[in-house]
Amino acid sequence: SQQGEEDPQALSIQEGENATMNCSYKTSINNLQWYRQNSGRGLVHLILIRSNEREKHSGRLRVTLDTSKKSSSLLITASRAADTASYFCATDKSWWSDKLIFGTGTRLQVFP
Amino acid sequence: SAVISQKPSRDICQRGTSLTIQCQVDSQVTMMFWYRQQPGQSLTLIATANQGSEATYESGFVIDKFPISRPNLTFSTLTVSNMSPEDSSIYLCSVEGREETQYFGPGTRLLVL
Repeated sequence: SQQGEEDPQALSIQEGENATMNCSYKTSINNLQWYRQNSGRGLVHLILIRSNEREKHSGRLRVTLDTSKKSSSLLITASRAADTASYFCATDKSWWSDKLIFGTGTRLQVFP
Repeated sequence: SAVISQKPSRDICQRGTSLTIQCQVDSQVTMMFWYRQQPGQSLTLIATANQGSEATYESGFVIDKFPISRPNLTFSTLTVSNMSPEDSSIYLCSVEGREETQYFGPGTRLLVL
């Protein structure tokens, strides 16, 4: 399967703590994206990092990408109860392909 | 950003029957995608639907089981045919967004008894 792996599968933290999720993938990529899904609803795009970038920030989100290790991490700083959701990484294999391959996901629970 | 709606939002169906899921977008888009998300699992791409051409199916998915229509640039349907309990999933449509991202619909929850 081309699907990426994420770890941990589940993560529980207290409000104010940082949450780190990791994603590993198998093939070369054009970009890597992170999405959030609340309670089995539709996915919301969070951030995109291109294969020639190593780090990207957006608000409380920080994404890193290591193409030599085929891995990425998503850091959510100062977490809030509203961050409780499932988080998925998705890879886009090439600039001409619109297909996204999703990782297995991390279920994040933030306790108030 | 695109606003996407899906109908029905959920359904309970008997095995052997078929269900057609509708996906409506508030703007014209070239590419639409259909995903399946089995309970507690990640998303798996079923097919890519372009207006005016046959849908392109991913490995493990066939047109007889998941026929797709794409009559115009704002609408698509996915039919789950001859359903079995293994088809119980959330079915999501999405459209291309800016910079190779995708916008997702709210999903259709299907339970097959």
